[in-house]
Amino acid sequence: QVQLQESGPGLMKPSETLSLTCTVSGAPISRYYWSWIRQPPGKGLEWIGYVYYSGSTNYSPSLKSRVTISVDTSKNLFSLKLTSVTAADTAVYYCATGGRSGYTFDYWGQGTLVTVSS
Amino acid sequence: SYELTQPPSVSVSPGQTASITCSGYRLGYDYAYWYQQKAGQSPVLVISQDNRRPSGIPERFSGSNSGNTATLTISGTRAMDEADYYCQAWDSSTVVFGGGTKLTVL
Repeated sequence: QVQLQESGPGLMKPSETLSLTCTVSGAPISRYYWSWIRQPPGKGLEWIGYVYYSGSTNYSPSLKSRVTISVDTSKNLFSLKLTSVTAADTAVYYCATGGRSGYTFDYWGQGTLVTVSS
Repeated sequence: SYELTQPPSVSVSPGQTASITCSGYRLGYDYAYWYQQKAGQSPVLVISQDNRRPSGIPERFSGSNSGNTATLTISGTRAMDEADYYCQAWDSSTVVFGGGTKLTVL
């Protein structure tokens, strides 16, 4: 069973860079697609992007200029960086995977709330 | 940009059939996926590739996709099915989620 666990700071200030890590267990990271999805409080789901184990990436057009997703196969984890955050980036951030697909999500982490506030 | 439209809310009585729709201009040409999200929990995939149920999903969940509308159907709805439901598709290498439908079991 694939298990995903997000980690990172819960509170940030505007203009800072958000950095989150997703630790993967139960599956080798060096095989599949690994994604980030977020959900502002009380709102719907928003896809951020994915990384393939090879390092290739695909990002949401609306976030592409600020997002970097990377993979560390030696540690079996992948990461999200989002620059120049504002209050609009306040959300629960989920890591997820659909295995061989970057476009569906069979397994999700528990999510981590990131609040951007001055 | 590609958009998926869902009704904000659907109500159903226990034991009855609930139908949640998802509309997109060319959705019938793409696969539709459905996720269930209960309060305070992570989403769970309940329908894959229009009408496939992942392991562990009850048979009362089914899906269809034709024209520009995908539909999630829950037969014999139970109180435990009360949740938010999101459709999802992808187009031009971009993942899109619908806005979500709150299913209330009255």
